[in-house]
Parts: sequence; structure tokens; C-alpha cells
Amino acid sequence: QSVLTQPPSVSGAPGQRVTISCTGSSSNIGAGFGVQWYQQLPGKAPRLLIYDTNNRPSGVPDRFSGSKSGTSASLAITGLQGEDEADYFCQSDDLSLRGYVFGTGTKVTV
Amino acid sequence: EVQLVESGGGLVQPGRSLRLSCAASGFDFDDFALHWVRQAPGKGLEWVAGVNWNSATITYAASVKGRFIISRDNATNSLHLQMNRLRPEDTAFYYCTKGPYSSIWDEYFQHWGQGTLVTVSS
Repeated sequence: QSVLTQPPSVSGAPGQRVTISCTGSSSNIGAGFGVQWYQQLPGKAPRLLIYDTNNRPSGVPDRFSGSKSGTSASLAITGLQGEDEADYFCQSDDLSLRGYVFGTGTKVTV
Repeated sequence: EVQLVESGGGLVQPGRSLRLSCAASGFDFDDFALHWVRQAPGKGLEWVAGVNWNSATITYAASVKGRFIISRDNATNSLHLQMNRLRPEDTAFYYCTKGPYSSIWDEYFQHWGQGTLVTVSS
């Protein structure tokens, strides 16, 4: 079961900015662990989008950015494009579970 | 280029066993930890198990602990998941993933295979 909570869906017009929240607790995000974000296009495997809260792997556009505060994290997408329509998942470590946890997922509609 | 190719999925009856494999290439296999992550059709992601570079450290999600066994063979660049006493709720796409480190802690999932579907049903 997911212990990181995300909104089920967000939408925006092309060119707009959208943000996706990821709410955790003191045993995961609040414990100081980095937060990752993954993008999953329909029928495809997830793709790493952001690592260690605010770092982009090579090839990921700078339209994607991450941040964290307390027990929550956020992913921002600026200059929204049609190709950004996908599911997005956050992920962190969890001290209590001694493993990794994912968010519930957010569907972005452009 | 990192490549992870899963195999071994299929239809299996509840209570039976299945073994998944992941063939890896494009990187120094024995320098990195590896993990299995699953996704029930239309649902979210769930981390299943991880093994460090030399198999000295292994950890499992509570939902599979005692039923699943993760292993790796550094001689053949392969990762495996032995799934025993399967339940209908184990039905999912199973992804082989690689992180950036040799330890299984403080990881993230940098590279993913295409996934293999396991369906547990009578």
C-alpha cells in the first residue's frame, strides 16, 4: 500500500504550469530522505524524472523541477506540453518499513 | 546503454510458484544493487525486494517477505525473483530496476526493464 499521498489528477492548458504534491510523514520524506519522481507514459515502464529531490537526469527537460519542505514534496511542470500527459509517481525511503515507498500516483492531463 | 530484460511471467494458479529472471547488460553488473518493483494493472507502483552488489544485504517488502526470494548471479549478469505461495493480489507487472549505488539503501530506480506480467488466477 502507498504511504505517500498524491492528488489523483491535475490538468492544465498547453504552456501553463502545474504542480503535483506528495505528502508523506516523519518516517520517510520528513526523515530527510531524498524524493524521486517518475513519469509513466501509457503502456510504458516508468522513467526517472527527478532524483534527490531536485536533480534531473541527463535528457530530462528543465521544465521539470522538484522541491521539498517538511514532510511534503512537489513536482512542478512549466510550459506544459501534450507529451507530458502521463502518470507521475513520487518515491522515497521509509525508516519504519525499512524499504522504499511510492506515491499513489497523479494523472496529468493537458 | 543499460538494458534490463525481464522474462518468466505468465498465468499461474494461487498457491503455486513462479521464477522471474532479468538479463542485464551495458554496465558493470557486480557494481550495483538491483531491485524488483511491481505494478498491478491500472494501479500504482510497489517496491518488492532489493539485493546489494554482492548479495550480502537483501530486503523485502512486508507483503512478500517469507514467500519471495531475490537472488543475483554476478557470473551471468542476471537477477531472479523466486515467487512462492502466490496469491491473486500478486498479479502485476514486475519490473527489474537498477539504481546508482552498490548498496540497497538510499537508492532510487534509475533504469527499468520493460516488465513481465504475472497473473495469479485459477
